[in-house]
Amino acid sequence: DGGITQSPKYLFRKEGQNVTLSCEQNLNHDAMYWYRQDPGQGLRLIYYSQIVNDFQKGDIAEGYSVSREKKESFPLTVTSAQKNPTAFYLCASSIKGFGYQPQHFGDGTRLSIL
Amino acid sequence: DQQVKQNSPSLSVQEGRISILNCDYTNSMFDYFLWYKKYPAEGPTFLISISSIKDKNEDGRFTVFLNKSAKHLSLHIVPSQPGDSAVYFCAASPSNFGNEKLTFGTGTRLTIIP
Repeated sequence: DGGITQSPKYLFRKEGQNVTLSCEQNLNHDAMYWYRQDPGQGLRLIYYSQIVNDFQKGDIAEGYSVSREKKESFPLTVTSAQKNPTAFYLCASSIKGFGYQPQHFGDGTRLSIL
Repeated sequence: DQQVKQNSPSLSVQEGRISILNCDYTNSMFDYFLWYKKYPAEGPTFLISISSIKDKNEDGRFTVFLNKSAKHLSLHIVPSQPGDSAVYFCAASPSNFGNEKLTFGTGTRLTIIP
């Protein structure tokens, strides 16, 4: 059945290494998003993409990069420039072009930098 | 600058009673509001939404009320059930962006006491 798959669920990396988080959706949604959640805080938007080969910075894009080469995939790279990368990362997707439509989320990846 | 505020970090309610979760916002450009429910180690699940042209939206046990003049919305759950124990996030979207730029509150942890 349709959904959003984020992998892996837990990820450990050494400080200074880049790491890529996977997000795949089979909902045929046009728009995809990446959020970061820290303890006691709401979700903050990192990047979003409304169409293949196009993406926009969110509120906290520094130290992150994305690509959108396929409609169903929106990987997020956490670079060594991100000062505090340990967090819970959530990917979401939504339909475009039909007025307001809720974003649907994957189950997240918890990234820990050792 | 927290544009969406959930001032109660936690709430405990007896099973069968009404749960009322509150959310305040400061940005008058917000036009669409959503509530998400989140269990630990999972992504948020969309619960219910409301457009600024309405003051109430109901879906089963869940009702969202919007008071635009007070910039306040609330989620009512009646009757509360043990499965409702989760963190609830309020989110808002500005009219000129559609649903690309959701701003989330910090969440309220609801505990239903059997």
